[in-house]
Amino acid sequence: EIVLTQSPATLSLSPGERATLSCRASQSVSSYLAWYQQKPGQAPRLLIYDASNRATGIPARFSGSGSGTDFTLTISSLEPEDFAVYYCQQRSNWPRWITFGQGTRLEIK
Amino acid sequence: QVQLQESGPGLVKPSQTLSLTCTVSGGSISSGSYYWSWIRQPAGKGLEWIGRIYTSGSTNYNPSLKSRVTISVDTSKNQFSLKLSSVTAADTAVYYCARDVDGYNPFAFDIWGQGTMVTVSS
Repeated sequence: EIVLTQSPATLSLSPGERATLSCRASQSVSSYLAWYQQKPGQAPRLLIYDASNRATGIPARFSGSGSGTDFTLTISSLEPEDFAVYYCQQRSNWPRWITFGQGTRLEIK
Repeated sequence: QVQLQESGPGLVKPSQTLSLTCTVSGGSISSGSYYWSWIRQPAGKGLEWIGRIYTSGSTNYNPSLKSRVTISVDTSKNQFSLKLSSVTAADTAVYYCARDVDGYNPFAFDIWGQGTMVTVSS
């Protein structure tokens, strides 16, 4: 099983600041790495796929980078609606096995 | 656009079988090369992938749940379903269905249902 470890567990920032969230895999996941945003009471929403591609309708302030075992989600300038929980997710090649990180809570400072 | 909606009992007794259905609207469950997944989330905790099905009937399951999980599809009703047997309190969670794009971009869950809360309690 590939384990995804996200850090920090909680990130406290103010609107307008830059957020950097990390996701580290226990072994290489190639670029099959996605990021999701989840707000209270809502289903997760796909933000980034293939490590660095924004999903449809996602603002340009969200960007992803990385490959292999180390990945980063960056929010360039936080908007009030960005405060939420963020999850990374990978899929192993064979057998097909999908795992999520434990999440990073982005809270208003 | 395609939408997903979970349905099923909100309360299940311990040792019984949890049964949920996801109805796909706004498009055919058979169109495109999609997998259809179930994912759950205990209160205040992270996401756990349960398993998925292709419209051909091919399935993949989370190894930690495989012995208790069955996912099936009914293309005539545009639905897919989850059965989780021998449930305990640890299976209490919000259960989501989601469309899983695999084999081509985005290799991710691009559409989610709103989720349904299932409590295991006597």
